[in-house]
Order: sequence, then structure tokens, then C-alpha cells
Amino acid sequence: EVQLVESGGGLVKPGGSLRLSCVASGFTFIHYTMNWVRQAPGKGLEWVSSISGSSAYIYYADSVKGRFTISRDNAKNSLYLQMNTLRAEDTAVYFCARDRVRAAADWFDPWGQGTLVTVSS
Amino acid sequence: EIVLTQSPATLSLSPGERATLSCRASQSVNSYLGWYQQKPGQAPRLLIYDASNRATGIPARFSGSGSGTDFTLTISSLEPEDFAVYHCQQRSNSYTFGQGTKLEIK
Repeated sequence: EVQLVESGGGLVKPGGSLRLSCVASGFTFIHYTMNWVRQAPGKGLEWVSSISGSSAYIYYADSVKGRFTISRDNAKNSLYLQMNTLRAEDTAVYFCARDRVRAAADWFDPWGQGTLVTVSS
Repeated sequence: EIVLTQSPATLSLSPGERATLSCRASQSVNSYLGWYQQKPGQAPRLLIYDASNRATGIPARFSGSGSGTDFTLTISSLEPEDFAVYHCQQRSNSYTFGQGTKLEIK
């Protein structure tokens, strides 16, 4: 069974940093592009970042470019999101999601349960 | 950025009825349109990809149609577990989501 488990969320002050992790199991991690998607309280979904299996291709939403860094450790089946210079508007549940199929940009399936990041003084 | 507009914002129906949800793109996304279902406190689940293909394990009562800028998700006969929020997403140019349609019990 494919599983994605996020961790690392919490309360952080504006301007602070946080590192999210997502541990994957049940599939060959290196074969798949991985993604971060967030959802502000009571709002819709917003794509944040994607990273290919080999880390050769990395993409960011304009809203986080220059502040967030996506990375992965294929030996540990883990995906990361380093978030710096956090703002109140970054408050959201952050989901990691796998691409539906391997080796191609695709839909997000499945998703982890998410980890809540709250940016507040 | 491609903007997706979902309508209605809220849809109130009874079990057994047919649900029709709409998603309109600000420019053509060809068939690169997907639908997700999200229940309270849960992660989204992929229902439909490439406009009309059901994802693995999705019941046949869910169907998608459309191309270009206008898309529809249809649930032929609502089951109690179908009441949730539905999001559309495009992957034609980066990734964007609609604001969601809440399907509630009437």
C-alpha cells in the first residue's frame, strides 16, 4: 500500500523557518516526481513545488520562489520542504503528493494527510 | 496563470439525485483537467484525470467531460459518502486549482 506521511509542521513567527518532511512507502520512490500542495484554512488548494525523481527538475509557485526549497533523499524515501522567511499567508496545511504515474508530469495521486503550518506572532 | 472558476460554490442535493459540477478555465487547457474529492479533515483524492478518465478504484457513477475551457463532473446518483468538496485542477500550464464546490445534503 502506498503511504505518504508528512511531519514538521507547527507554529512559527513571521520571518522564521521550518522544514517539512514526507516519508514515502509502498512504491519505488526514485521513479516518481513528488509535489507539495498547500491549503490555507477554509480555502482552496494551491500547488507549491515539484521535484523529479532524480532532482534534475524542480519547479516552484511564484508565491514561494526564493523562500522555499524542495529536496529529496531517495535513499531515505523522503521528500522535504525548507521554508524560510515565512509570512502569515503561508499558514496552511501542507500536503505531499506523488505523481500518479512514474517518469512524467502527471496528476497528484495519492496524497498524504498533511501537516499544519501556522505563521503567527 | 490559468484561472479555474468552479460553479456553483455550493450545491444542495439529496441522495439519489444527479449532481453536475462545472469548471471553467480562463484559457484552453486542452484535456489537462482533473477532479479531486476532499472530505473534512482528509486529503484530496483523485477522481478524474485528463478530463474524462476515472482514477483507480473510482466508482462508475463519477464521470467527467469537456475539453478546452469548459468541463463538467457528473455524479449520476448521489450516495451518502459523496457529499464533500470537489476541486478541479489543470496541468496544461503549471498547476492551478479551482476554488472548490461544496456538495451538501439537502
